[in-house]
Amino acid sequence: DTGVSQDPRHKITKRGQNVTFRCDPISEHNRLYWYRQTLGQGPEFLTYFQNEAQLEKSRLLSDRFSAERPKGSFSTLEIQRTEQGDSAMYLCASSPTTSNTGELFFGEGSRLTVL
Amino acid sequence: AQSVTQLGSHVSVSEGALVLLRCNYSSSVPPYLFWYVQYPNQGLQLLLKYTTGATLVKGINGFEAEFKKSETSFHLTKPSAHMSDAAEYFCAVRQNWGGSQGNLIFGKGTKLSVKP
Repeated sequence: DTGVSQDPRHKITKRGQNVTFRCDPISEHNRLYWYRQTLGQGPEFLTYFQNEAQLEKSRLLSDRFSAERPKGSFSTLEIQRTEQGDSAMYLCASSPTTSNTGELFFGEGSRLTVL
Repeated sequence: AQSVTQLGSHVSVSEGALVLLRCNYSSSVPPYLFWYVQYPNQGLQLLLKYTTGATLVKGINGFEAEFKKSETSFHLTKPSAHMSDAAEYFCAVRQNWGGSQGNLIFGKGTKLSVKP
């Protein structure tokens, strides 16, 4: 399968713990996006990478959140000192730079539950 | 700034009936518009997209949507609902400004239920 891969699919943690999610985009896709989806809402943009450069961060991305894409391939999203409000589905998407259609290819998501 | 409004958070239809999910957008530039479907505990799958050209676009699973600039709408339809269509549907517009060009701005979604 050469789609977008996310790991882990589910994570249950206690408030105050740190968690990290990984995203492997489709190979040769230069653009990588992180979204957050809470119950009853559509996906909300968190941050965007063009290769290894993080070009934009949403105001939703508080100081407790950090994302990296060190070699322009996979990306990680870390949440420090988790809070119950962080419970959500975290979605990763990728697209090629040369795409004129704007379609994003999504992974299956990582569901976080903070107790 | 671009935005998307989906009218109706829940829509229920009988199997075999017409499906109509409504989407209105706001954009100061010609929009790229998308419909995605999400099944429980899964990611988003592209149903169809409008970029330029023909305003009636056909997608997978028998769905289609029509771009109407005068109404700023991009409603999703399917002539005959199937039980397997039960899912959540998201309309999205492509962001065409700022550092994250290419980002999609999503509506809040419409959950489709299909009754036997």
